[in-house]
Amino acid sequence: EAEVAQSPRYKITEKSQAVAFWCDPISGHATLYWYRQILGQGPELLVQFQDESVVDDSQLPKDRFSAERLKGVDSTLKIQPAELGDSAMYLCASSRSGSRNEQFFGPGTRLTVL
Amino acid sequence: SQQGEEDPQALSIQEGENATMNCSYKTSINNLQWYRQNSGRGLVHLILIRSNEREKHSGRLRVTLDTSKKSSSLLITASRAADTASYFCATDAEDSNYQLIWGAGTKLIIKP
Repeated sequence: EAEVAQSPRYKITEKSQAVAFWCDPISGHATLYWYRQILGQGPELLVQFQDESVVDDSQLPKDRFSAERLKGVDSTLKIQPAELGDSAMYLCASSRSGSRNEQFFGPGTRLTVL
Repeated sequence: SQQGEEDPQALSIQEGENATMNCSYKTSINNLQWYRQNSGRGLVHLILIRSNEREKHSGRLRVTLDTSKKSSSLLITASRAADTASYFCATDAEDSNYQLIWGAGTKLIIKP
């Protein structure tokens, strides 16, 4: 069964350092989402891609966060510099283009900023 | 921004009992979806109910939707220890760009 892959699963870093997360969606899924989930809360959308284009990044803190999906397949989310408040779970999800059905999630990356 | 609000925030029941969780939302929707998240993991899709549907079943799950009250409920019957998880509702709003708006979730604990 196809799955969304994410790495690393866990990341511990010090504030002011740079971190990067990687996501490989299910093959053929043109839409890719990055979410941030703070403990005890629901996911918050950071950025949405359609193929290689950004559809929505209105909630992405662009002074420190960047996201790319250069070939319209896998994607990278970067934080530079990391701040204490960035500690959270970062989730990647994908769905079929134009689908109003389910999103498929990866296992997430748990980020701890010290 | 979060559209859905789940109720209760936490629920603890004995194995074998039924668990009911509720979700309220604010805008008109195309569909409403329920997801499960085990501790420290990604989310898993459980069931989707479209705006023109009122009830849907999947195994031990039953979902209802009342668009006039902008609310939904998820019933898990004959609960098992493995059902311990957080449950989230997510709405696909009519004016969304294939985005889901998420609630804060209900944390369900099944006691053996």
